[in-house]
Amino acid sequence: GESVGLHLPTLSVQEGDNSIINCAYSNSASDYFIWYKQESGKGPQFIIDIRSNMDKRQGQRVTVLLNKTVKHLSLQIAATQPGDSAVYFCAARGPYSGAGSYQLTFGKGTKLSVIP
Amino acid sequence: DGGITQSPKYLFRKEGQNVTLSCEQNLNHDAMYWYRQDPGQGLRLIYYSQIVNDFQKGDIAEGYSVSREKKESFPLTVTSAQKNPTAFYLCASKEGFSGNTIYFGEGSWLTVV
Repeated sequence: GESVGLHLPTLSVQEGDNSIINCAYSNSASDYFIWYKQESGKGPQFIIDIRSNMDKRQGQRVTVLLNKTVKHLSLQIAATQPGDSAVYFCAARGPYSGAGSYQLTFGKGTKLSVIP
Repeated sequence: DGGITQSPKYLFRKEGQNVTLSCEQNLNHDAMYWYRQDPGQGLRLIYYSQIVNDFQKGDIAEGYSVSREKKESFPLTVTSAQKNPTAFYLCASKEGFSGNTIYFGEGSWLTVV
């Protein structure tokens, strides 16, 4: 089955620096990936997604990189701000589970702490 | 505002009681999901529903039950058969088969006392 993991459980960065959060997935058939941000006591918020036919996708201050060869993706946050402090999850979609359904498998999360 | 509303935010349950967590969405999404979140673990799927009056078990369905009588509502009942129910419960929804992204509610904390 699919497993999704994150390389580091915690990450501390100085305000203004760039942050890189890594994630590995196990199923080479996964075709779609999402990064979520979860603040303490709240539900996860969608940040950015990427399909498996892409290597890179950029949003506002965030970039996701996908390396299908080693089954690894990363989330880069530029000019990290105190409001970026949260737990970040990656999720991988697939394989097809029937009944019109694809399921997401979630990583355990990396806690990002921004030092003012 | 469009979104997913979970209630209550905090709920305490006595041993042997059933409790129901509410989830309502006004996004007109076809698919709805319930996940459980425990410290140090990824989200685990309890139940999901692709369409009204139909739902499927997820990875950890034992001790839980759901219904999907309306498109916008997907309540979760945590029964007394669930031996370790203390957790953070997240409801989510997705546009349907063509939709990719799952969107989450704000979660409900359930504590057994």
